Amino acid sequence: GENVEQHPSTLSVQEGDSAVIKCTYSDSASNYFPWYKQELGKRPQLIIDIRSNVGEKKDQRIAVTLNKTAKHFSLHITETQPEDSAVYFCAARDYNKLIFGAGTRLAVHP
Amino acid sequence: DVKVTQSSRYLVKRTGEKVFLECVQDMDHENMFWYRQDPGLGLRLIYFSYDVKMKEKGDIPEGYSVSREKKERFSLILESASTNQTSMYLCASIRGVRTDTQYFGPGTRLTVL
Repeated sequence: GENVEQHPSTLSVQEGDSAVIKCTYSDSASNYFPWYKQELGKRPQLIIDIRSNVGEKKDQRIAVTLNKTAKHFSLHITETQPEDSAVYFCAARDYNKLIFGAGTRLAVHP
Repeated sequence: DVKVTQSSRYLVKRTGEKVFLECVQDMDHENMFWYRQDPGLGLRLIYFSYDVKMKEKGDIPEGYSVSREKKERFSLILESASTNQTSMYLCASIRGVRTDTQYFGPGTRLTVL
């Protein structure tokens, strides 16, 4: 089955800097890769996703890139703000379910 | 707007008790999931269901069972709660697994004493 590894487990940046979170997956058949953000005490919410027929997708300050050959995908957040502080989860679809990474705790310091 | 609700935000139970966690979604989604969230381990899938009365084991089904008698409701059952089942439990649902966004409930923080 699918296995997803996520790095780093914690990330601390200054406000305005960029943040990058990386994930690798094992099953080359996986074709859908969402990213979820979970603020403290709240439920995970989808922030961006990418399908295997696309190499990059952007939505304002966030972007996701996918390298199918290397089987890894990354979340990029530019011009970070304190409200970006949260736990971020990557995931890969394994046929009929999502397999999640262990999460990255991002702290953005003013 | 999709709404996924869970019966309790916080629950405290004793070892050996039978525990029911309930999840309800109001968007006619076929697929429902139960995850367990622990620090450093991410979201681990316990069980999922793709239709009424249908269920499949996830990655960590031991010690749990599920029930889906109605499309909108998916229950997680701890037959005999143990301290190592203290965790945050998240329910999720999705209409079509291949095309749609998965939505999460608010979570139930279960403490087993």
